[in-house]
Amino acid sequence: ETGVTQSPTHLIKTRGQQVTLRCSSQSGHNTVSWYQQALGQGPQFIFQYYREEENGRGNFPPRFSGLQFPNYSSELNVNALELDDSALYLCASRKNGQINYGYTFGSGTRLTVV
Amino acid sequence: KQEVTQIPAALSVPEGENLVLNCSFTDSAIYNLQWFRQDPGKGLTSLLLIQSSQREQTSGRLNASLDKSSGRSTLYIAASQPGDSATYLCAVEIQGAQKLVFGQGTRLTINP
Repeated sequence: ETGVTQSPTHLIKTRGQQVTLRCSSQSGHNTVSWYQQALGQGPQFIFQYYREEENGRGNFPPRFSGLQFPNYSSELNVNALELDDSALYLCASRKNGQINYGYTFGSGTRLTVV
Repeated sequence: KQEVTQIPAALSVPEGENLVLNCSFTDSAIYNLQWFRQDPGKGLTSLLLIQSSQREQTSGRLNASLDKSSGRSTLYIAASQPGDSATYLCAVEIQGAQKLVFGQGTRLTINP
């Protein structure tokens, strides 16, 4: 079975620009979550999608938005980029409700805002 | 609000030693606790998951324990090897919200 794949692996953007990050969930997984990991910190929950709707959100402003598609893949969009948005963005997937199984994470997208 | 703390922040030991990493959390209303490994600049690799009803899980040289009532978990690594060098993160899944709350990690260095 394929794991979680994220693209691109690295990205450099200018402050004020917009960015879209992409994630393909592991086969059979219908829930996708996004996390932001600043350097030297633990990941922070951004939001989660199930059945193409956001069903959980962390403490992030509205300029962080997302989508989930019928094939369960997902996008994270960030508008009006700020320098503090520089981080590793991680995508995780799981089959909804299967709390006895852990989340599977992708390798991440390293975003640098200059 | 759930808070997860990992101590120590960094640890350096000689090869072959057994070691323990610690994780504490403030709210016992969790579904499970998961330990991850992260190599520099990479994603997270799941090591062990302990369900809230369990006390421990083992995989090879790794053993993780969970004491939900005291809000503590430990990750025991036996006979450490240089390849074990990485950052180790623990995370709890909060009841009623399918999201993980992470600690800041322990950066482990195993010296040959």
